Amino acid sequence: EVQLVESGGGLVKPGGSLRLSCAASGFTFSSYSMNWVRQAPGKGLEWVSSISSSSSYIYYADSLKGRFTISRDNAKNSLYLQMNSLRAEDTAVYYCARPRTAGTIFDAFDIWGQGTMVTVSS
Amino acid sequence: QSALTQPASVSGSPGQSITISCTGTSSDVGGYNYVSWYQQHPGKAPKLMIYDVSNRPSGVSNRFSGSKSGNTASLTISGLQAEDEADYYCSSYTSSSPPFGGGTKLTVL
Repeated sequence: EVQLVESGGGLVKPGGSLRLSCAASGFTFSSYSMNWVRQAPGKGLEWVSSISSSSSYIYYADSLKGRFTISRDNAKNSLYLQMNSLRAEDTAVYYCARPRTAGTIFDAFDIWGQGTMVTVSS
Repeated sequence: QSALTQPASVSGSPGQSITISCTGTSSDVGGYNYVSWYQQHPGKAPKLMIYDVSNRPSGVSNRFSGSKSGNTASLTISGLQAEDEADYYCSSYTSSSPPFGGGTKLTVL
């Protein structure tokens, strides 16, 4: 079964850091670019970041202003999101998502994880 | 990286058809045939319903259809059913990001 499982969310104080992980299974992880998408409570979906299959190409939403870093370990079938200088507005469910087609960067996302909640509050 | 524009809400009665619009620019919706639509029920992850403007993934009901004209894409749901009540999001390809629409809440009356 093709599956994505996020972990690492939790409660963190403003200015703090958190590292999210996404474990992939059931498909050839190293062939696919991967993405992070977030959703603030009661709000819509917001694309966060994308990384190509070999990590050669990386993209971020302008709103992140260099605070987040996406990475991957193809040997471990894992995707990561290092989040620094966290703010209250970063409070959201963070999803990892796989594009429909291997080798593409911004294809439709056909596989989503269940999400991990990040709460930034003092 | 502006979000695409969707109506906040739409409603319809069982059996009826509804259409949700998604308006962008020539740099996203109008520039590429890569519009996708997602359905999200409360507390659940989004589910891909339409990709590449009008294609349905395997397992998605043919009651769901997509189209595009200029800078506006549309999702049509025919034969509305109670389980269609959910939030719907559009997304489009650009050269540097996949923006999402603000989302549309569909209420089945």
